[in-house]
Amino acid sequence: QKEVEQDPGPLSVPEGAIVSLNCTYSNSAFQYFMWYRQYSRKGPELLMYTYSSGNKEDGRFTAQVDKSSKYISLFIRDSQPSDSATYLCAMSHSGGYQKVTFGTGTKLQVIP
Amino acid sequence: DTAVSQTPKYLVTQMGNDKSIKCEQNLGHDTMYWYKQDSKKFLKIMFSYNNKELIINETVPNRFSPKSPDKAHLNLHINSLELGDSAVYFCASSQGKGAHGYTFGSGTRLTVV
Repeated sequence: QKEVEQDPGPLSVPEGAIVSLNCTYSNSAFQYFMWYRQYSRKGPELLMYTYSSGNKEDGRFTAQVDKSSKYISLFIRDSQPSDSATYLCAMSHSGGYQKVTFGTGTKLQVIP
Repeated sequence: DTAVSQTPKYLVTQMGNDKSIKCEQNLGHDTMYWYKQDSKKFLKIMFSYNNKELIINETVPNRFSPKSPDKAHLNLHINSLELGDSAVYFCASSQGKGAHGYTFGSGTRLTVV
């Protein structure tokens, strides 16, 4: 079993839809949770990070962490064609120089 | 522009050759990384340096050798290239442990023929 599981998609939605992207993980030691967006032939770009459980909102993006279920989500409101990209979740332990473990990414296409 | 920059962007080479990829960051970060992204988009860490000291060294063939001359630079040298080395290699940097996220370069697409 992989430490971090993410549905690869592709996920196609119409413009303006609410998008829900999710990851599950198996390692209860993960404390820091991140979402990256990667456009085709570009490097991943950090969207949001959260520590432990709870919600965090930034514009049209909301990140949620449920540590009891080992489940994290990224919601995109009023999705735009420019949101079409691959979304990668990532997580790490606290303490020391621990490596960040990435999900395999979900490819999102927002159709105009 | 403040960024993580890698060169070259594309590298096509024959099996058995030796090649290097260079990375520089001007963000003032103290930790730098090399990641490999395979054809299925899976990002796997290879190495990490903090202030020129190697702190993460994953199970990577010893044909791969990182070098950090200072905390703003991290280079990757690959000896005796193999077909399976074909991938996109990303350099990244962070301040400290990177729990608040990394800044990635735009990648080096390596094709071994």
